[in-house]
Amino acid sequence: DAGVIQSPRHEVTEMGQEVTLRCKPISGHNSLFWYRQTMMRGLELLIYFNNNVPIDDSGMPEDRFSAKMPNASFSTLKIQPSEPRDSAVYFCASRQGFGEQFFGPGTRLTVL
Amino acid sequence: DAKTTQPNSMESNEEEPVHLPCNHSTISGTDYIHWYRQLPSQGPEYVIHGLTSNVNNRMASLAIAEDRKSSTLILHRATLRDAAVYYCILPAVAARQLTFGSGTQLTVLP
Repeated sequence: DAGVIQSPRHEVTEMGQEVTLRCKPISGHNSLFWYRQTMMRGLELLIYFNNNVPIDDSGMPEDRFSAKMPNASFSTLKIQPSEPRDSAVYFCASRQGFGEQFFGPGTRLTVL
Repeated sequence: DAKTTQPNSMESNEEEPVHLPCNHSTISGTDYIHWYRQLPSQGPEYVIHGLTSNVNNRMASLAIAEDRKSSTLILHRATLRDAAVYYCILPAVAARQLTFGSGTQLTVLP
């Protein structure tokens, strides 16, 4: 298996633009997680899905952030409009049941 | 998730054993102890987990105190590739998500 796949790996955009991050979980995994990592706040959970249904989105910073999981093999995290403080590394992870989480390589987002 | 306390940083010499401690005095009887690590510029990766008994796998060993209020991750022979941030996590039983603290930055000296 290729593991968790994220795209793009790097994204540079200007303030106010829409940003869409993509994630393909490991086949057969039924939970998907979006995390954000910054130097100041460390690794934070934004939202997680179980069987494609959002279970806990309490970590989503504000309404500018939205996440979808239209099917078991794809999820998006969208920021609209983006702001410089959104600059971070965004990780997607997937999991089967209560097993270990497998993380993707991350998307490094820079908002100018 | 129960609270964990880890040293901010540790150093080790290459090819020597490393003992990474974690205190979790508020652990409940059903909390598993999980360890993940994050290599530079990569996502976190699972290392090991346990409940009461000591655990071994190809990556490391986990020694759990008898009262379960502390645990130690043991890397038997540190290599330069083991330089990473190591996180000790106690997810709630019903929780699917992990709550990452600040972890321990392990530096391996050649």
